[in-house]
Amino acid sequence: QVQLVQSGAEVKKPGASVKVSCKASGYTFTSYGISWVRQAPGQGLEWMGWISAYNGNTNYAQKLQGRVTMTTDTSTSTAYMELRSLRSDDTAVYYCARDFGYCSGGSCYTNHWYFDLWGRGTLVTVSS
Amino acid sequence: QSALTQPASVSGSPGQSITISCTGTSSDVGGYNYVSWYQQHPGKAPKLMIYDVSNRPSGVSNRFSGSKSGNTASLTISGLQAEDEADYYCSSYTSSSTSVVFGGGTKLTVL
Repeated sequence: QVQLVQSGAEVKKPGASVKVSCKASGYTFTSYGISWVRQAPGQGLEWMGWISAYNGNTNYAQKLQGRVTMTTDTSTSTAYMELRSLRSDDTAVYYCARDFGYCSGGSCYTNHWYFDLWGRGTLVTVSS
Repeated sequence: QSALTQPASVSGSPGQSITISCTGTSSDVGGYNYVSWYQQHPGKAPKLMIYDVSNRPSGVSNRFSGSKSGNTASLTISGLQAEDEADYYCSSYTSSSTSVVFGGGTKLTVL
């Protein structure tokens, strides 16, 4: 079964760090990148960044540069997102999402501006 | 404030058609065809409904269609059904930061 399984909910104090995991199964992990998208309570979606599971290249949202690190462990097909110096406005559901893959004209491609497989989300609550 | 502008809410009756707009700039929606739409039911992860402005992923109903004119993209849902009631988000590649930007979301109510 093709899926992304995320780690459980976290409660952190302001200034702490959190590391969320996203374990992939049912597909070749290194053939797709993983993006992280968060959603504050009652709010919209915010793209946080992307990591290539093939070579570890990353692209982070400017707003989070310096506070976020995305990594992968190809031996366990797991992606990680670490966010440091947590603030109350980091309280959100954090989703991992896989690059969109499609086939056309006999060839197959991926596009990391779209996401076709999502984890169920991890609630991170930042509160003193 | 989101980078892309969507109406907060739209509504329609079963069987009708509705259109949701998504307005950006020449650095995102207007400059590239990397526009997508996601459907999100309460408590669930988003689902990709449209990519490359107007293409549907496999398995998405042909009642969903997308288009773009200038800096504004649109999602049209025809033959509204109760299960279409959800939040809808547009998204686009943006060259200003080589990243993805989302709209603020539109809540669709099926009356």
